[in-house]
Amino acid sequence: DTGVSQDPRHKITKRGQNVTFRCDPISEHNRLYWYRQTLGQGPEFLTYFQNEAQLEKSRLLSDRFSAERPKGSFSTLEIQRTEQGDSAMYLCASSLGSGQANNEQFFGPGTRLTVL
Amino acid sequence: QQQVKQSPQSLIVQKGGISIINCAYENTAFDYFPWYQQFPGKGPALLIAIRPDVSEKKEGRFTISFNKSAKQFSLHIMDSQPGDSATYFCAARKKIGGGADGLTFGKGTHLIIQP
Repeated sequence: DTGVSQDPRHKITKRGQNVTFRCDPISEHNRLYWYRQTLGQGPEFLTYFQNEAQLEKSRLLSDRFSAERPKGSFSTLEIQRTEQGDSAMYLCASSLGSGQANNEQFFGPGTRLTVL
Repeated sequence: QQQVKQSPQSLIVQKGGISIINCAYENTAFDYFPWYQQFPGKGPALLIAIRPDVSEKKEGRFTISFNKSAKQFSLHIMDSQPGDSATYFCAARKKIGGGADGLTFGKGTHLIIQP
């Protein structure tokens, strides 16, 4: 257990529905990251936050995806109008942030999304 | 364009043997190279990491070898044990301040250690 928690662990939804996932990072970590992992592939970077500021967004993050970290602590990832292609494991990671030489990222257990 | 190429896709090693997984990268802006271990249904766990100013780093049974000129790095697992059976991912990250902090992962190697 790395100390990064995600909720829910599993989500099954119907195509067209909206879903929201939550991530709670390690308490002293300033940076929070979202990744998506499909079966048999490595995680793909989606976006990251330094405190409450969203500093980078991947091209994978379509307009249907939005992420927030309103108070610089927990974060939410919302997917609107879900599609079957959104089915994946959504992983959250956190790190201490800038100024750290290696800035290791620690991953949570993920939220498995299935879109029917 | 796959920026980090990992091989082999799957690997079977006898207990006590050496497991070797290789990765190659293209972007010279990468300056941090971690390896992650992932068990089914779990998130990736950081195993060991290296920066390009050293050619080798060892932690217990795990060693990273790094060849900056060839833009290649590898993970060696010595005295492989059945509990090492998992999927391993290499990754790379650009220099801090280089405008990106997300990790770029390889596609993974499914390692099976036979008793």
